[in-house]
Amino acid sequence: NAGVTQTPKFRVLKTGQSMTLLCAQDMNHEYMYWYRQDPGMGLRLIHYSVGEGTTAKGEVPDGYNVSRLKKQNFLLGLESAAPSQTSVYFCASHGSVGTEEQYFGPGTRLTVT
Amino acid sequence: AQSVTQLGSHVSVSEGALVLLRCNYSSSVPPYLFWYVQYPNQGLQLLLKYTSAATLVKGINGFEAEFKKSETSFHLTKPSAHMSDAAEYFCAVSGPGGGNKLTFGTGTQLKVEL
Repeated sequence: NAGVTQTPKFRVLKTGQSMTLLCAQDMNHEYMYWYRQDPGMGLRLIHYSVGEGTTAKGEVPDGYNVSRLKKQNFLLGLESAAPSQTSVYFCASHGSVGTEEQYFGPGTRLTVT
Repeated sequence: AQSVTQLGSHVSVSEGALVLLRCNYSSSVPPYLFWYVQYPNQGLQLLLKYTSAATLVKGINGFEAEFKKSETSFHLTKPSAHMSDAAEYFCAVSGPGGGNKLTFGTGTQLKVEL
């Protein structure tokens, strides 16, 4: 039982390049989330999904797209990376009960030059 | 909209001293409240949560927090700090007013000195 895994762990992009971050969970969770963490700002929600085939915008969705084609995977895409997207990205998931804790992945550190 | 305020972005205590990390929330309905801990270069790990049962919540590693509705607070405490407690701590609030989405505070970095 690996929990929540994220691929890759580190990435450096040039401005304008694209990439996809993969989040996978093996807990059969319905809900999945993508956050970004920046110094002094805590974690901010980018996009989330309440089940397979669904996605919704969070607090800071601009410049990102997501897909949830399979229940266990949640992909975060950057179509044209910008230096402002330099951040640490975390994926999280939880089951269908609202009081459940979110389980976090180890994070992806992205630098855009 | 729900929000969380963590007073003090950096807190320093001596080993063996009381740890007090402050969290105040804003919510129009009774919230669910969480404390998470983040060790360097790792993801977040749940310390404890309040979900409208007992107002005094005990978590892992000797931490506890008390929900005080009158003060809209959920402060985190530990009687005696250990060097291994050095980490960043996040308070977060979720539903039912905001659904299952978590709104995080900006975090408090705890330093433990000898």
